[in-house]
Amino acid sequence: KAGVTQTPRYLIKTRGQQVTLSCSPISGHRSVSWYQQTPGQGLQFLFEYFSETQRNKGNFPGRFSGRQFSNSRSEMNVSTLELGDSALYLCASSLANFRSGANVLTFGAGSRLTVL
Amino acid sequence: QKEVEQNSGPLSVPEGAIASLNCTYSDRGSQSFFWYRQYSGKSPELIMFIYSNGDKEDGRFTAQLNKASQYVSLLIRDSQPSDSATYLCAVKRNNFNKFYFGSGTKLNVKP
Repeated sequence: KAGVTQTPRYLIKTRGQQVTLSCSPISGHRSVSWYQQTPGQGLQFLFEYFSETQRNKGNFPGRFSGRQFSNSRSEMNVSTLELGDSALYLCASSLANFRSGANVLTFGAGSRLTVL
Repeated sequence: QKEVEQNSGPLSVPEGAIASLNCTYSDRGSQSFFWYRQYSGKSPELIMFIYSNGDKEDGRFTAQLNKASQYVSLLIRDSQPSDSATYLCAVKRNNFNKFYFGSGTKLNVKP
């Protein structure tokens, strides 16, 4: 069974540019979540999508956005990049049964973004 | 106050010893608790989860939960050098698929 696939794995951008990251969840997983990981802040929740709808959102500015397609694949976009956006962006998929305590996240390998 | 607190470490233990990793959380509504392991340069991978008070064992790993004290721990028996990694504690409420992660404890197992 294929895992969570994220592309691209590495990218370098300059301040002011925008970036789009892609995530394909595990087959059958309908929930896709995005997290930002930095050495100073750790893993921080960005947002979660289910059935093409944003279901939960973290405390990030509006420059961070996402969407989910009908096949559960998801993209996240960061506009007007800042130096502080340099981070590892992790996508995680899970089953839709979020009421279950056993609903776990499976992470992709991540997209490492460097903003110069 | 952070939702999930962990000692950043590093925690150093000799090979074969028991490693004890601890985590506290602030939201009393948290109902599910997870331990993830993250090797340097890799993404987190699930070790185990627990949602009932008490102990849950899986091989060399034992998770312990005390909701009254808002405390979760992970014991690693017979620690191996391959266990050297950062261990992340995560919590969530059952009706929300939003996980709160601690900053992680770095474990070093010395041969």
